[in-house]
Amino acid sequence: AQTVTQSQPEMSVQEAETVTLSCTYDTSESDYYLFWYKQPPSRQMILVIRQEAYKQQNATENRFSVNFQKAAKSFSLKISDSQLGDAAMYFCALSGSARQLTFGSGTQLTVLP
Amino acid sequence: ETGVTQSPTHLIKTRGQQVTLRCSSQSGHNTVSWYQQALGQGPQFIFQYYREEENGRGNFPPRFSGLQFPNYSSELNVNALELDDSALYLCASSLYPGGAGEHQYFGPGTRLTVT
Repeated sequence: AQTVTQSQPEMSVQEAETVTLSCTYDTSESDYYLFWYKQPPSRQMILVIRQEAYKQQNATENRFSVNFQKAAKSFSLKISDSQLGDAAMYFCALSGSARQLTFGSGTQLTVLP
Repeated sequence: ETGVTQSPTHLIKTRGQQVTLRCSSQSGHNTVSWYQQALGQGPQFIFQYYREEENGRGNFPPRFSGLQFPNYSSELNVNALELDDSALYLCASSLYPGGAGEHQYFGPGTRLTVT
């Protein structure tokens, strides 16, 4: 069984500052992918960034980057230069050989002007 | 490129009734997954359809069933509705084979309320 844990129900950041969202996971598979999704009030789940477990290099997408610690089963998301539009619920998710996404409980990010 | 669409947007049903939710997958995608998202929680995997066959199921009872059509659109049916079925139902489409890292594109969801 796969599990994903997000221990920060809520986080806030000042506009233009940097924030890090935490995620830990557990899986018995060796080949898997990790994702961060953003869900704004419009409810549509949007992919932010994706990491392949066999790649040591951390993924980056513009202002978004991850810190992937495979041995510790940790996968945190760093948002640099935070913008008001970044405010949303962020979900960490895991996909293995069954191609089913297992989600964490989410972190509500507030961006303060 | 047409994105994933879902209908209806909102739905109110009475306990014991049956409901059908619909999903049109993104153009070119052959796989549809359904997720249930209770208020304040992360989505839970219900099942996945690939080429009109169920291709994996989460921990949901048989009263949750689905269909996928030749054009890869899909339906989620829930019989004997219970109050705990109140949730946002998300549909996601993807292209298989794409591996575990395939990008699942989500629709805006259907908000189901059971009274």
